[in-house]
Amino acid sequence: DAKTTQPTSMDCAEGRAANLPCNHSTISGNEYVYWYRQIHSQGPQYIIHGLKNNETNEMASLIITEDRKSSTLILPHATLRDTAVYYCIVSSAGGTSYGKLTFGQGTILTVHP
Amino acid sequence: NAGVTQTPKFQVLKTGQSMTLQCAQDMNHEYMSWYRQDPGMGLRLIHYSVGAGITDQGEVPNGYNVSRSTTEDFPLRLLSAAPSQTSVYFCASSYSIASGQPQHFGDGTRLSIL
Repeated sequence: DAKTTQPTSMDCAEGRAANLPCNHSTISGNEYVYWYRQIHSQGPQYIIHGLKNNETNEMASLIITEDRKSSTLILPHATLRDTAVYYCIVSSAGGTSYGKLTFGQGTILTVHP
Repeated sequence: NAGVTQTPKFQVLKTGQSMTLQCAQDMNHEYMSWYRQDPGMGLRLIHYSVGAGITDQGEVPNGYNVSRSTTEDFPLRLLSAAPSQTSVYFCASSYSIASGQPQHFGDGTRLSIL
């Protein structure tokens, strides 16, 4: 699976948009980009995923560059409850790494009042 | 739907004891997996299953057994607990890995081996 690079930490004011970047320059054609977050020591929570196109759901938007080498997770109106570690993961559908999600260090997002 | 349910939430064992961590999902997901999370090391895949009757090893399978007799359940067995197995264990499931569907995680089991 492709390696991802994320900033170690980011801050955001409550009510503002949080934009979390991720670099995955070695991504291959069959690999998806997944975003998860982990609050305290709870289980990782799925946020959004995409292959080529930009995606939006009730939690966030995912912007993937045309060359697929980087992406940005957007939380449109951050709240204090969005303070968490955010993981950008690239994983193929099937293959030798069948289903394995490689969690790196992630980005610690702190939302301030 | 309850989602992915893990029991127990906490457990303390003595070295050499055996136990089973339970994982159940009510979403008719075909894929299930077990991860462990240790400080500073992220989550590591222990075992996974692509359907009932089918299991395979992840990256850290030693000391653990799994079985998948039903679609809903995927128990993880520690054969002879060791202090190195002190960790937080997460179970996850997905409708279909082959089509890129995301995995959904349980709340974890916090296991301490003395």
